[in-house]
Amino acid sequence: EAGVAQSPRYKIIEKRQSVAFWCNPISGHATLYWYQQILGQGPKLLIQFQNNGVVDDSQLPKDRFSAERLKGVDSTLKIQPAKLEDSAVYLCASSPTPPTVSEQYFGPGTRLTVT
Amino acid sequence: AQKITQTQPGMFVQEKEAVTLDCTYDTSDPSYGLFWYKQPSSGEMIFLIYQGSYDQQNATEGRYSLNFQKARKSANLVISASQLGDSAMYFCAMREGEGGSEKLVFGKGTKLTVNP
Repeated sequence: EAGVAQSPRYKIIEKRQSVAFWCNPISGHATLYWYQQILGQGPKLLIQFQNNGVVDDSQLPKDRFSAERLKGVDSTLKIQPAKLEDSAVYLCASSPTPPTVSEQYFGPGTRLTVT
Repeated sequence: AQKITQTQPGMFVQEKEAVTLDCTYDTSDPSYGLFWYKQPSSGEMIFLIYQGSYDQQNATEGRYSLNFQKARKSANLVISASQLGDSAMYFCAMREGEGGSEKLVFGKGTKLTVNP
């Protein structure tokens, strides 16, 4: 079974530029999560999708971050414009619906550096 | 207030010895779940073990066991017979919410180094 795929793995941009990350969850997993992990901290949930609907985006900085999951499969996370404090690893995860024990399967992450 | 507290920024253990990584949590929900994830330097989060709040027995998965003390609100991870490949960041997490709105809240992690 293929795991959660993410691209790109690394991205370096200047502040005020825009960037987009892509995630392809495990086949059949209806729930998809985007996390932000700042260096030295645990992951923080940004947004959670159930199929193509948003379940929780309470911690998503909506003035600059946006995410979509068209057709309930792949998802993209966009930052526009980026700030220095957005430097982090962005992790995508997926889980079956209904969640069994909410075991989430994580992708390898995208490491973003904003200069 | 932090919901998940991991007080050990770093831990060292000799190969083949056991090590305990601490985790305390804070919740008023009667139903919750506790998880441990391993994050190697490559970056992916690897699920290790799960403990439900109503589970009567401590969870075990191979060399991993979870020392669940509900009254103390602690869920420590015990790794027996440490291996060099166990060197990584370890995160404790708690499940919040119900049904399709469940989400995980993570602690800050503990960096484990296994010495030969």
